[in-house]
Amino acid sequence: DQQVKQNSPSLSVQEGRISILNCDYTNSMFDYFLWYKKYPAEGPTFLISISSIKDKNEDGRFTVFLNKSAKHLSLHIVPSQPGDSAVYFCAASKGNSGGYQKVTFGTGTKLQVIP
Amino acid sequence: SQTIHQWPATLVQPVGSPLSLECTVEGTSNPNLYWYRQAAGRGLQLLFYSVGIGQISSEVPQNLSASRPQDRQFILSSKKLLLSDSGFYLCAWSAGSQKLFFGSGTQLSVL
Repeated sequence: DQQVKQNSPSLSVQEGRISILNCDYTNSMFDYFLWYKKYPAEGPTFLISISSIKDKNEDGRFTVFLNKSAKHLSLHIVPSQPGDSAVYFCAASKGNSGGYQKVTFGTGTKLQVIP
Repeated sequence: SQTIHQWPATLVQPVGSPLSLECTVEGTSNPNLYWYRQAAGRGLQLLFYSVGIGQISSEVPQNLSASRPQDRQFILSSKKLLLSDSGFYLCAWSAGSQKLFFGSGTQLSVL
């Protein structure tokens, strides 16, 4: 049961344009969402997060939007740069339960930014 | 600052051989520790997590086991590897939040 879904396995965008990566989730108990970026042969690195009490969080070129009613979130990268080419994982969590936070990841979207 | 070390980076093992992957964290105390696996074409699957020394919880039944002999050391093991154990293994830690910090990963190929 894939509770966090990234239906687009890949995306190509021209440098300077906007990249939009989408993510859907099925578990309404999720209350915290994260995006990770992963380069080949490296571990994922945290990019940006959003709590369910917000619908938008911005950090420089990266903005995450959350639509709770649709159980959908998206990551916008503006402007896209060649160094943004990587696999992006969406992740969701149900929050703190006895000191352990279970984070459920999607399958990832491979972004290619074309110079 | 906190750092996480994971080794080896790549490993090729025959079916039926044992496995030991090690992960250590520096610069923090009593972290939550995690082992994830990314199989080809799939997302990151949580295998084990630990909230303290000797405390291991398994998320999915499998051919693998984990141990935490010291506060900042997490070990993933198998007595006999299967072909299906191939994948990219990631160790991660957190300090009581949902933000995970990952190691550089181990690419395991079981032949």
